[in-house]
Amino acid sequence: EIVLTQSPATLSLSPGERATLSCRTSQSVRGYLAWYQQKPGQAPRLIIYDASNRATGIPARFSGGGSGTDFTLTISSLEPEDFAVYYCQQRRDWPLTFGGGTKVEIK
Amino acid sequence: EVQLLESGGGLVQPGGSLRLSCEPSGFTFSNYAMSWVRQAPGKGLEWVSAISASGGSTYYADSVKGRFTISRDNSKNTLYLQMSSLRAEDTALYYCAKRMGVDSGPSDYWGQGTLVTVSS
Repeated sequence: EIVLTQSPATLSLSPGERATLSCRTSQSVRGYLAWYQQKPGQAPRLIIYDASNRATGIPARFSGGGSGTDFTLTISSLEPEDFAVYYCQQRRDWPLTFGGGTKVEIK
Repeated sequence: EVQLLESGGGLVQPGGSLRLSCEPSGFTFSNYAMSWVRQAPGKGLEWVSAISASGGSTYYADSVKGRFTISRDNSKNTLYLQMSSLRAEDTALYYCAKRMGVDSGPSDYWGQGTLVTVSS
């Protein structure tokens, strides 16, 4: 099973600041990594797929990068609606696996 | 507009069974793979199972293999998750999710979930 490790667990930032989230995988997933955003009481929402592709309707301030075992999600300038929990997921191999999540909270 | 509506959750005793359903709308169901993902109270996301568009390929997390069965009826536009030998650790909100491809892809649309509680 491919293990995904997200860091940091919590990121405390102010609106307008840049957020950089990390996801490291225990073996190469090539580019088959996605990022999801989840707000309290809501279902997850796809933000980035295949490492660097923005999903439909996702603003340009969200960007993804990396390949192999190291990936990042960057939010260039945090908006109030961006404070949420973010999960990475790999689809390179079965079983599909998620990281433990990074909570982006208001400082 | 793509929508996914889960149903079938509820309170069940340990060792019991439950069948979840997911009814999609807004897209051609038979063209896309589907997944079930769960989230225990206050915890992160856990992938449970996936099925190809045709239903010919199915996949499971080790934690549910042999106890859960995913299936789909493309003529009825419905996805199922049959759960048996339920344990307390299966307590979670179960999400149905559409995948982007015929046999793979990330999950681009999610339902609001149905809550399963396993308790005596």
